[in-house]
Amino acid sequence: QITLKESGPTLMKPTQTLTLTCTFSGFSLSISGVGVGWIRQPPGKALEWLALIHWDDDKRYSPSLKSRLTITKDASKNQVVLTVTNVDPVDTATYFCAHYTPFFDRGGYYRGPNAFDVWGQGTMVTVSS
Amino acid sequence: QSALTQPASVSGSPGQSITLSCSGTSSDIGSYNRVSWYQHHPGKAPKLMIHEGNKRPSGVSNRFSGSKSGNTASLTISGLQAEDEADYYCCSYAGSNTFVFGTGTKVTVL
Repeated sequence: QITLKESGPTLMKPTQTLTLTCTFSGFSLSISGVGVGWIRQPPGKALEWLALIHWDDDKRYSPSLKSRLTITKDASKNQVVLTVTNVDPVDTATYFCAHYTPFFDRGGYYRGPNAFDVWGQGTMVTVSS
Repeated sequence: QSALTQPASVSGSPGQSITLSCSGTSSDIGSYNRVSWYQHHPGKAPKLMIHEGNKRPSGVSNRFSGSKSGNTASLTISGLQAEDEADYYCCSYAGSNTFVFGTGTKVTVL
């Protein structure tokens, strides 16, 4: 059974750096085709994809936030960490991490991530002075 | 990379069928067969309902079905039930291992 749980500070001040940790179980980030993504949801607003990291340490970011995001993994600890620099009140949101399923083409070749099949419960972060 | 466009709200009576749309571009929905749909009850973890446009994960009711035409994906909920009342988000692969979510649709069961 795959589970994920997010942890981090609940309150941040503008300009600080936010560090969120996703601790997971039920899968290994050392296995080919496996990965974890981060998604956030500001209060009353839509989900927004932020970043993902693959088993081979390939990292991808939302173009609009790329300059402020860093995603890393520690496969031995079953953790993925997301940092967001220079936070602003608009970064107030519930942050989710999620496991993604791999996509295979008709020939059976792996072609990247497919969908986020298991999510954590999320952690709410408020940015306020 | 702009958010996919979804209607803000859709409603239906119990037993009815409703269809949620998700409009994208030729750079996301139109280019890849990797549209997924998520059901989200506020305060809970989002749940994957459809992936690869029309595939249901194990355990998801067959009342949920997905389709795609051009740059638009759709989610149909048949035999609407009270428990289906939630927010629904589409998501598409957008190339280079990136994703884009939709603006979300609130489904109300009358």
